[in-house]
Amino acid sequence: EVQLVESGGGLVQPGGSLRLSCAASGFSFSGHWMTWVRQAPGKGLEWVANIKQDGSEKYYVDSVKGRFTISRDNPKNSLYLQMNSLRAEDTAVYYCARDRSVSSWSLFFDCWGQGTLVTVSS
Amino acid sequence: DIQMTQSPSTLSASVGDRVTITCRASQSISSWLAWYQQKPGKAPKLLIYQASSLESGVPSRFSGSGSGTEFILTISSLQPDDFATYYCQHYSGYPRTFGQGTKVEIK
Repeated sequence: EVQLVESGGGLVQPGGSLRLSCAASGFSFSGHWMTWVRQAPGKGLEWVANIKQDGSEKYYVDSVKGRFTISRDNPKNSLYLQMNSLRAEDTAVYYCARDRSVSSWSLFFDCWGQGTLVTVSS
Repeated sequence: DIQMTQSPSTLSASVGDRVTITCRASQSISSWLAWYQQKPGKAPKLLIYQASSLESGVPSRFSGSGSGTEFILTISSLQPDDFATYYCQHYSGYPRTFGQGTKVEIK
């Protein structure tokens, strides 16, 4: 069974840092693009970043460029999101998602974790 | 950036109704479009990809159509389990963007 389990969320002050993790199981993690998507309370979905199978390509939404870093550890079947200089507007549930693509092109998201809540507040 | 606009934002319907949700892209995205269903407190679930391909395990009452800039998600006969929020998402270039969502409520 494909499973994605996020962890690392919590309450952090503005300007602070947090590192999210996503543990993957039940599929060949190293064969898939992986993605972070977030959802602010009561709001819609926002794509945050994705990373190619070997980590050689990474893409970010403009609002997090220079502050967030996506990475992966294939031997550990893990995806990460390092979040620095956090702002109130980063408050959201952060979902880890598997990309359907096993090629060079990222596509859509066919499996999602349960999400981890990040709250940025003083 | 490609903007995705869904209509309506909220839809009230009854069990058995035929429901259609529209998603418009600000520029052509060919058929690079997916639809997701999300229930409160839960992660989104993939329903449709490549505009019209039904994800495995998704009931056949769900269907997708369209290409270019206009897309439609149709639920042929609304069931109690279908009351949820639906999102479209393009995967034609970066950044990936979602529509703002359409909430399907009980009438």
